[in-house]
Amino acid sequence: GAGVSQSPSNKVTEKGKDVELRCDPISGHTALYWYRQSLGQGLEFLIYFQGNSAPDKSGLPSDRFSAERTGGSVSTLTIQRTQQEDSAVYLCASSTRQGSYEQYFGPGTRLTVT
Amino acid sequence: DQQVKQNSPSLSVQEGRISILNCDYTNSMFDYFLWYKKYPAEGPTFLISISSIKDKNEDGRFTVFLNKSAKHLSLHIVPSQPGDSAVYFCAASAGSGTYKYIFGTGTRLKVLA
Repeated sequence: GAGVSQSPSNKVTEKGKDVELRCDPISGHTALYWYRQSLGQGLEFLIYFQGNSAPDKSGLPSDRFSAERTGGSVSTLTIQRTQQEDSAVYLCASSTRQGSYEQYFGPGTRLTVT
Repeated sequence: DQQVKQNSPSLSVQEGRISILNCDYTNSMFDYFLWYKKYPAEGPTFLISISSIKDKNEDGRFTVFLNKSAKHLSLHIVPSQPGDSAVYFCAASAGSGTYKYIFGTGTRLKVLA
């Protein structure tokens, strides 16, 4: 079966532009997470979706960041008016149940803001 | 405020020897710990976990040790193989059923053939 996929794999954008990052979780996984890994840092939690519940957005660093999950499957992370400090690898993960340590990660999207 | 710390950014070990990766944490509420392995251009993959009710968990060549009083855990790989060369992250969570994990910055392990 297919794992978690993310697109694009690489994105270079100019400062001030908006970007959209896509995540396709494993089919049937109800939980979906977004993380960010900046250079030399650990994985930083951004947002969590579980089924039809309201997402936990507590990790989003600013109101320029937003995410949605349509139909309980595909998720899009949007960064508006990108800044250079947004440059990082954005990782998506999915799991079958809340609190499960079995988070399956996608390969990530490397975002570079010039 | 780095609640989970991996103070060694890199480690080199000869093939066949033991690799020891360390992780320290500051939050005494953490009660579940994970290790993930990450190859270049791939997402992290789950390796092994340990609950705070245990001080050791073993899975094949991988053993995780937890010292709660010292707020320290370590991952032992014996014997180390070249395919183990990767970045290793430890992560911690507080409370049963929580989905928020705090990750360390990772240690890059290189196993020399």
